[in-house]
Amino acid sequence: DTGVSQNPRHKITKRGQNVTFRCDPISEHNRLYWYRQTLGQGPEFLTYFQNEAQLEKSRLLSDRFSAERPKGSFSTLEIQRTEQGDSAMYLCASSLRLGLADTQYFGPGTRLTVL
Amino acid sequence: AQKITQTQPGMFVQEKEAVTLDCTYDTSDPSYGLFWYKQPSSGEMIFLIYQGSYDQQNATEGRYSLNFQKARKSANLVISASQLGDSAMYFCAMSDGSEKLVFGKGTKLTVNP
Repeated sequence: DTGVSQNPRHKITKRGQNVTFRCDPISEHNRLYWYRQTLGQGPEFLTYFQNEAQLEKSRLLSDRFSAERPKGSFSTLEIQRTEQGDSAMYLCASSLRLGLADTQYFGPGTRLTVL
Repeated sequence: AQKITQTQPGMFVQEKEAVTLDCTYDTSDPSYGLFWYKQPSSGEMIFLIYQGSYDQQNATEGRYSLNFQKARKSANLVISASQLGDSAMYFCAMSDGSEKLVFGKGTKLTVNP
């Protein structure tokens, strides 16, 4: 039973470049979430998918950010024209809704540094 | 709007002793869930314990228990018999009808030998 995996674990890029992160959820989970965590803060919600449908997007997700989950399995998060303020840990989580409880299990995160 | 408050930026505890990490929450939704996660220095968020708003009993998972006081809107985490490996950041989080989790700022726990 493998957990949520994320690649790459670390990414260093120059301002203005595009970056893409991948998340592979726990296999039977139908929900997938993206969060961003900056230094000294808790994670902040970005977006979530139920199967392949993107059902909610935070206003934190500017038009430079796009997320996809094309076949309801893995997901990608792309940031175009990166800015220094995008430097953060990007966390992916997945869950399987059972009644009222919907525990989200997180991956190890991708740490982005924009120079 | 939902809000989570963790007022303890840092806590220290001696190995083998118990420690309580505070969490208060605010929501107008009668149905909600409360979660605690542990984040070691490696960065991964590890799920520890869940409490539903309609649960009659406090949740327990091994050495972790959640002291749920609904009228006070508090959901404190109690770790019994602390171990050196418990040193980490601890985050309280809530979901209340929307699918996202809202997190507090976290408490850094240091377990001293």
